[in-house]
Amino acid sequence: DVKVTQSSRYLVKRTGEKVFLECVQDMDHENMFWYRQDPGLGLRLIYFSYDVKMKEKGDIPEGYSVSREKKERFSLILESASTNQTSMYLCASSSRAGVTDTQYFGPGTRLTVL
Amino acid sequence: AQSVTQLGSHVSVSEGALVLLRCNYSSSVPPYLFWYVQYPNQGLQLLLKYTSAATLVKGINGFEAEFKKSETSFHLTKPSAHMSDAAEYFCAVTFNTGGFKTIFGAGTRLFVKA
Repeated sequence: DVKVTQSSRYLVKRTGEKVFLECVQDMDHENMFWYRQDPGLGLRLIYFSYDVKMKEKGDIPEGYSVSREKKERFSLILESASTNQTSMYLCASSSRAGVTDTQYFGPGTRLTVL
Repeated sequence: AQSVTQLGSHVSVSEGALVLLRCNYSSSVPPYLFWYVQYPNQGLQLLLKYTSAATLVKGINGFEAEFKKSETSFHLTKPSAHMSDAAEYFCAVTFNTGGFKTIFGAGTRLFVKA
């Protein structure tokens, strides 16, 4: 089974802190994604990566950056956390850039910014 | 522009009753359609996907969905609801527009009453 793990299930940070969310997949997938999930809005794509050291902006990249130094690891960085970044963050991976490929999701990190 | 609409943020059914979760899409290019399920405190997992091979798609746990191009719909059904079906369901559409892009619906939370 594909396994996508995220470093924390729950995280509480203060406004202005730098926050790192880590995601690791164990199936040698090329593509990795970061989404945020908010009630009534579904999932919105923040960033994705289709290869090591490659990244593309999604629909809501403002206030976020990403890093992919190794194929299995994709990190989301909040440079200066703000209260409107309180959300559930989901990482996903898929095997190639095909339109029919399934995305495999991690359990999510619920981030609260105070 | 491409979009996905899930009708009804909450659906409640009795155990043993028919489950119908609605999804409509808007697209100027051929869509590839997915249903994902999210159980409490978990990430999303694939229920089923339409990849143009057959319009009626069967998925896991007795769910199925039918792609109707004329109605731009991909509704999810299950003949008999079980308590374990209580979860949030997301319709997603992937479009090939040079690169590929996935858009998720806002989600429908299914409640199953005993």
